[in-house]
Amino acid sequence: EVQLVESGGGLVKPGGSLRLSCAASGFSFRTTWMSWVRQAPGKGLEWVGRIKSKTDGEITDYAAPVKGRFTLSRDDSENMVYLQMNSLRTEDTAVYYCTPHTGSFDFWGQGTLVTVSS
Amino acid sequence: QSALTQPPSASGSPGQSVTISCTGTSSDVGGYKYVSWYQQLPGKAPKLIIYEVFKRPSGVPDRFSGSKSGNTASLTVSGLQAEDEADYYCSSFAVRNNWLFGGGTRLTVL
Repeated sequence: EVQLVESGGGLVKPGGSLRLSCAASGFSFRTTWMSWVRQAPGKGLEWVGRIKSKTDGEITDYAAPVKGRFTLSRDDSENMVYLQMNSLRTEDTAVYYCTPHTGSFDFWGQGTLVTVSS
Repeated sequence: QSALTQPPSASGSPGQSVTISCTGTSSDVGGYKYVSWYQQLPGKAPKLIIYEVFKRPSGVPDRFSGSKSGNTASLTVSGLQAEDEADYYCSSFAVRNNWLFGGGTRLTVL
């Protein structure tokens, strides 16, 4: 059974930083590309970024609103993927989901809430 | 890049069929096979229900079907049931390794 457990969310001031973690199990993590998708309160889904597998160079791509501020990384030995978020803005407030990405966002955890507010 | 365009709401009576559209451009929906649909029940995480335009993951009822014509993808829910009441989102790969979502459609079962 696929399980995705996101953690690390919380309240942070504008300009601050936060690191989200995602523990994955139940699938071949090391060969799977991983994405983060967020959902602002009462709003729709927004793709944040994707990291490819090590064999595909661990290449990362980011959505325009977060490029240069957010960084994806992964630890295949621990089946973990991370989202380092810097220079946070109020518009980054959202539930953040990690998801295996094979051309679609195949499975979803419960997400972790990030609130950016002074 | 702009989000894909979905109607904000759709509705139908139990047993009826309803179709939700998702309109993009030739740089996203019209140009790639990576169009997918997600169902989000109230207070829950999204769930994949259609991938690669028309394929269904294991366990998704065949009442859900997907298609694409030009720059518009569609999700059809046949034989509507009360449990289908949810928000539905489309997604597509887009140029420059970007991924887009639609704004979402709230489906109401009357």
